[in-house]
This record gives sequence, structure tokens and C-alpha cells, in this order.
Amino acid sequence: AQTVTQSQPEMSVQEAETVTLSCTYDTSENNYYLFWYKQPPSRQMILVIRQEAYKQQNATENRFSVNFQKAAKSFSLKISDSQLGDTAMYFCAFMKRGTGNQFYFGTGTSLTVIP
Amino acid sequence: GAVVSQHPSWVICKSGTSVKIECRSLDFQATTMFWYRQFPKQSLMLMATSNEGSKATYEQGVEKDKFLINHASLTLSTLTVTSAHPEDSSFYICSASGTGTLSGNTIYFGEGSWLTVV
Repeated sequence: AQTVTQSQPEMSVQEAETVTLSCTYDTSENNYYLFWYKQPPSRQMILVIRQEAYKQQNATENRFSVNFQKAAKSFSLKISDSQLGDTAMYFCAFMKRGTGNQFYFGTGTSLTVIP
Repeated sequence: GAVVSQHPSWVICKSGTSVKIECRSLDFQATTMFWYRQFPKQSLMLMATSNEGSKATYEQGVEKDKFLINHASLTLSTLTVTSAHPEDSSFYICSASGTGTLSGNTIYFGEGSWLTVV
């Protein structure tokens, strides 16, 4: 079975600063995807970034980047130049390729950006 | 990006009645849809997986007779909460993946539905 662990229930960061959210996972699979989703107070789940396990290069999307360490089964999210709109719950998720896209979610990290 | 629409966003129903929540994929064919329940300050709990034209697969502990899921077309799945009770009050969210204009390897979520049973 796959498990996803987010060890930081709550975090805060000053506006314009950088913050890193941690995520570790446990799997025996070799082909899979990892995701970070953002859930603001509106509760809409928004895809932040996606990483394919077979790619060694870390994914980046504007101010968001990941540090993917496959051997360590670690997938942290770095948010640069934090903005007030980044305040949200962040969920790390794992998906095995070919399973019909079933996700395994972490417990989430509540991020607050302080003005 | 891909759009998944969920309706209604808010619904209040009386205890003992049934309520239906719809999940639609607007610009792609959703071969698989997922239904989640989310309690306050908690992660999403997968309730069931539905594939178009077949019976849904329910997660352990989810009552299939209480939470009826229908995926009759490639763009629509419905969740019906039957004989609702106050403990069924929660945030329900659907997600979809499939073929079409987006990658089949990403899931897109609906906006979610708040259910309050009084």
C-alpha cells in the first residue's frame, strides 16, 4: 500500500519570503506521479505542480518548485516570494501509473502567509 | 486547464430525505470519477471510484446503499445520499480523469458541495 506523510500540520511565512513544505511517501512502485494540490478557503482543489517519477529534473511552475529525491522518497514543495494568496491547505499526493488514477493524499499542511 | 463542475455548491436537506450531487467534466471524457468526503481540517477521504458504464467500487467502511453512485455517461457522475442524517453533513468533492484535451495522468477536482442535513 502507498502512504503519504506530511509532518508539518501548520506553517507560516512572511510575505515575500520562501517556505518549504515537506512530504515523504512509501511505495514499492517504480513508475508513479507525485502532486502538490492547494486548497484555499474556498475548498477548491487546485493543482500546483506535478512530478513524474522517471524524470530526474525537478518540476517548476513559476514561484513553485519541488525537490524530488526518489531514493529517499521525498517530495518537498518550495514556494518563493510568498504571496498572501498562497495561504491555503497544501496536500501532497501520490498516484501509481496505470491504476485508473487513484490518488493517495497526505494529511495536509496549513500554510499562512503573514503580511 | 480542464474543468470539472460540481453542483450544487451548497445544499440543505431534511433528515430522512435524499439529495443528489452532480459532477460533470466539461471539456474532456471522464472515464473515471472519484468521490471524496472531507471533514473539517482533515484530508480528503476517498469514498468510491466510478468507471463509466460499470458499478462503482467503494472503499472499506463506505455504505454503498447509502451513498449511491452512478456514472452513466463519460461526462457525468452523480452521488446520491439516501435517507440523509445529520452525521452525513460534510463537504463532498469529486474528481475526474480521462482522455481528451488533457493528460490522462492528472486528476482535476470539482468545486465541492457542502451538504447540511437538518
